[in-house]
Amino acid sequence: DVVMTQSPLSLPVTLGQPASISCRSSQSLVHSDGNTYLQWFQQRPGQSPRRLIYKASNRDSGVPDRFSGSGSGTDFTLKISRVEAEDVGVYYCMQTTHWPWTFGQGTKVEIK
Amino acid sequence: QVQLVESGGGLVKPGGSLRLSCAASGFTFSACYMTWIRQAPGKGLEWVSYISNTGSATYYADSVMGRFTISRDNAKNSLYLEMNSLRAEDTAVYYCARDNGGAAAAVWGQGTLVTVSS
Repeated sequence: DVVMTQSPLSLPVTLGQPASISCRSSQSLVHSDGNTYLQWFQQRPGQSPRRLIYKASNRDSGVPDRFSGSGSGTDFTLKISRVEAEDVGVYYCMQTTHWPWTFGQGTKVEIK
Repeated sequence: QVQLVESGGGLVKPGGSLRLSCAASGFTFSACYMTWIRQAPGKGLEWVSYISNTGSATYYADSVMGRFTISRDNAKNSLYLEMNSLRAEDTAVYYCARDNGGAAAAVWGQGTLVTVSS
């Protein structure tokens, strides 16, 4: 199985400051069709997860442009350019290139 | 608007069975592949199962293979998860999700809680 390793697991941030979460996979996530199926999700306290980014760098509709995804191969990053209070929650990466699909452990973002 | 509503969760004894449903609305259900994902209390997300838009292809996590069966009824805009031989470690909130943009889990339901306990 592809192991997804996120870091850090806990991320205290100051409002208005940038934040960055890393996600590394144990195998390349480049699919035979040429796409890289790496998604990022946000789960606010008490809510269902919400997809933010798909195929590594595509922002979902309605997602603020302060969120961006980048990376390739086995190394990916989710960046928040300026953290707002509503960004508090747990963030997960997920690969859907290889079966079985797998998630990272999650990174908890909190305000300092 | 796009909506997914799960139902069928509850308390069941170890070894028991349960059938979850996911009612879809606001989009062309038969065009989307669907996924079940679960989250144990206080834990992270775990992918459970996938079904293609026609139902011809299905995949499962090793942890549920042989015990869970995913299916769909496109005429009823519904997704199902038949769960047998349930174990304590299957206790979780179960979410259904649909694809969009050619990638998985674009939209999620609110989840349904399954508790396996004697």
